[in-house]
Amino acid sequence: GENVEQHPSTLSVQEGDSAVIKCTYSDSASNYFPWYKQELGKRPQLIIDIRSNVGEKKDQRIAVTLNKTAKHFSLHITETQPEDSAVYFCAARNFGNEKLTFGTGTRLTIIP
Amino acid sequence: NAGVTQTPKFQVLKTGQSMTLQCAQDMNHEYMSWYRQDPGMGLRLIHYSVGAGITDQGEVPNGYNVSRSTTEDFPLRLLSAAPSQTSVYFCASSPGQAETQYFGPGTRLLVL
Repeated sequence: GENVEQHPSTLSVQEGDSAVIKCTYSDSASNYFPWYKQELGKRPQLIIDIRSNVGEKKDQRIAVTLNKTAKHFSLHITETQPEDSAVYFCAARNFGNEKLTFGTGTRLTIIP
Repeated sequence: NAGVTQTPKFQVLKTGQSMTLQCAQDMNHEYMSWYRQDPGMGLRLIHYSVGAGITDQGEVPNGYNVSRSTTEDFPLRLLSAAPSQTSVYFCASSPGQAETQYFGPGTRLLVL
């Protein structure tokens, strides 16, 4: 089955700087890669996703890049703000498989 | 729309007791899933369903049962609770395979 590794597990960034979280996956057939944000005590919420037919997707301060050859994808947050502090999860799914496999999460702290 | 709802929000059980965690969605989504979230381990899939009458096992199904008699409801049953089942449980639904998953607010379960 799919295995998703996520790094780093914790990340502290000065407000205004950029943050990068990286994930690798094992199943070369995976073709859908969402990112979820979970604030303390809240439910995970989708912030951006990418499909394997594109290499990059951007939504305001958030971008995701995908390298299918190396089987890794990354979340980039620019101009970080205090409200970006949360736990971020990457995930991967194969279209032929309904299961979504999550990474272990990255706790991002924005330092004012 | 209420989205995805879960009850109860918090439950304490004694070892060996059984209970049902309720999950309902009013978005007419075909796909529904149950995850457990433990510190440092991300979200792990317990069971999932691709439509009424169809269920399948995820990554950690032992000790849990599910059924899907209607599109709206997807209850999770703990047959004989164990301390290892202490966790936060999230239900999620999505309209299709590679579509946004909408999570419920979660149920925090403590097994003594």
